[in-house]
Amino acid sequence: GDSVTQMEGPVTLSEEAFLTINCTYTATGYPSLFWYVQYPGEGLQLLLKATKADDKGSNKGFEATYRKETTSFHLEKGSVQVSDSAVYFCALRAAGTASKLTFGTGTRLQVTL
Amino acid sequence: NAGVMQNPRHLVRRRGQEARLRCSPMKGHSHVYWYRQLPEEGLKFMVYLQKENIIDESGMPKERFSAEFPKEGPSILRIQQVVRGDSAAYFCASSPVSDDEQYFGPGTRLTVT
Repeated sequence: GDSVTQMEGPVTLSEEAFLTINCTYTATGYPSLFWYVQYPGEGLQLLLKATKADDKGSNKGFEATYRKETTSFHLEKGSVQVSDSAVYFCALRAAGTASKLTFGTGTRLQVTL
Repeated sequence: NAGVMQNPRHLVRRRGQEARLRCSPMKGHSHVYWYRQLPEEGLKFMVYLQKENIIDESGMPKERFSAEFPKEGPSILRIQQVVRGDSAAYFCASSPVSDDEQYFGPGTRLTVT
């Protein structure tokens, strides 16, 4: 079945450091790919998405590129801020299905001054 | 436009009791999804409903769990005879059409004592 694998957390970075959170997936066809962010005590918010190979999703300085050849959708940000501290989830929606999202286990990011 | 509303935010039940979790989708959204997040894990899909119809319940446990989305009123996730293993955060999401972005509520944290 479909699955998403994320790098283990927590990830601790100093403010202004470069961020990479790895995400790889297993799915048939061409799924849509997403990054969601969850702040403490809140629900998930969509951060960015890509719906076909080589698409780059970007938002709030974060970006991720849909790589079909490596089945990856790594999240990057050039300079993190303390306010970016949260849990980040990679997810996919299988091609041809109009419903469920399959999530990775999440990666906790802690940014310090 | 209010976001997805869930209540209660926190629910404590003793083993054997029933838990009812409510979800009011965003205005204009007729598609509702329920996900469960166990401690230190990602979200797992449970069920996808449209008004008065269950579209996909492939993630629902076979027993004790049921969901509905009536013509009027919120969607309800019902867990009968709760056990300690049901302790989790339950998130609801809604979308205006089936293949559009899912907007998440803040979740209901169920604790079974």
